[in-house]
Amino acid sequence: DGGITQSPKYLFRKEGQNVTLSCEQNLNHDAMYWYRQDPGQGLRLIYYSQIVNDFQKGDIAEGYSVSREKKESFPLTVTSAQKNPTAFYLCASSGGTGALGEQYFGPGTRLTVT
Amino acid sequence: GEDVEQSLFLSVREGDSSVINCTYTDSSSTYLYWYKQEPGAGLQLLTYIFSNMDMKQDQRLTVLLNKKDKHLSLRIADTQTGDSAIYFCAGTGGFKTIFGAGTRLFVKA
Repeated sequence: DGGITQSPKYLFRKEGQNVTLSCEQNLNHDAMYWYRQDPGQGLRLIYYSQIVNDFQKGDIAEGYSVSREKKESFPLTVTSAQKNPTAFYLCASSGGTGALGEQYFGPGTRLTVT
Repeated sequence: GEDVEQSLFLSVREGDSSVINCTYTDSSSTYLYWYKQEPGAGLQLLTYIFSNMDMKQDQRLTVLLNKKDKHLSLRIADTQTGDSAIYFCAGTGGFKTIFGAGTRLFVKA
């Protein structure tokens, strides 16, 4: 089945440690996105990538980094510079033939930093 | 830039209709979308409307678009407990999709 996978579903880290969240898609989509979701605030865009080896900062990129070495993969690193990293992180992709521009989402990773 | 606003909560009784409202600022979106998020999960596209349409009906779902007032609504007929979720409206702002904060729908049995 085609879709987007994110792993792990829950992640716990100590303050000061970098952590990498995985996102993989087999939808053959060119574009991929990372969002952060906090209660009552909806989705905020962290980074997005329109094509392999290219990515752009979103609205809240500070303290995060990404890479896009393969079409299928768009990992997100939450660095120790991110002041408030505890959140629910969602990865999405879009593209393909006949696309409406809609995004397909993974199941999310809940990161807790103590 | 684009801004999308929604009320945060809506509570209805099972069997009633639910109407979730959304206002947006950027009228250049080609498509406007409604996504549904169940607890602890990602978002799923529920329905969409093309910007040159006024209404779209899809089984229990009716989407109304008032371009003059920049108002989008989602009506769910015969609301069921399984409809309890967060509903996001979204529009395309250039390459990016802009999401509202989400409306949490509570369905009382």
